[in-house]
Amino acid sequence: DIVMTQTPLSSPVTLGQPASISCRSSRSLVHSDGNTYLSWLQQRPGQPPRLLIYKISNRFSGVPDRFSGSGAGTDFTLRISRVEAEDVGVYYCVQATQFPWTFGQGTRVEIK
Amino acid sequence: QEQLVESGGGEVQPGRSLRLSCAASGFTFSSHGMHWVRQAPGKGLEWVAVIWYDGSNKYYADPVTGRFAISRDNSKNTVYLQMNSLRGEDTAVYYCVRWGDEKTFDSWGPGTLVTVSS
Repeated sequence: DIVMTQTPLSSPVTLGQPASISCRSSRSLVHSDGNTYLSWLQQRPGQPPRLLIYKISNRFSGVPDRFSGSGAGTDFTLRISRVEAEDVGVYYCVQATQFPWTFGQGTRVEIK
Repeated sequence: QEQLVESGGGEVQPGRSLRLSCAASGFTFSSHGMHWVRQAPGKGLEWVAVIWYDGSNKYYADPVTGRFAISRDNSKNTVYLQMNSLRGEDTAVYYCVRWGDEKTFDSWGPGTLVTVSS
């Protein structure tokens, strides 16, 4: 199975400041069709996860443009340009390139 | 607006069975694969099972293979998870998730809690 490793596991951030989360996969996530199926999910306290970013850098419908994704191969990053109070929660990367689908362990974003 | 609503969770003794249901609305259910993903209390997300849009293929995570069975009824817009021989480590919130375009988990239900305890 592909192991997804996120760093840091916790990220205290000042409101209005940027935040960055790294996700590293144990094998390349480039699919045989040429796409890289790496997504990011946000889980606010007490809520189910929701899709933020797909295929590395594509924002899902309704996601604010302060969220961006980048990376390639085995190294990926989620950035929040200016953290707002509603961004508090846990963020997960997930790969859908190879079965079984696997998630990172999650990164908690909290306000300092 | 698509909506997924799980039901059927509860407390059950080890070794017993439980069937979860997920009712879908607001989209063409028969065009989408569907997943079950679980989250143990205070823990991260774990993929459990997937069923193709037409039910032709089903895949399971190793920890549940041989004990859980996913199925769907496209006439009822519902996906199911039959869970047998339940163990304490199956205790989790179980989410029903739509398999969207570009291989995304693009819509999640609120989840249903399954507690396995004697």
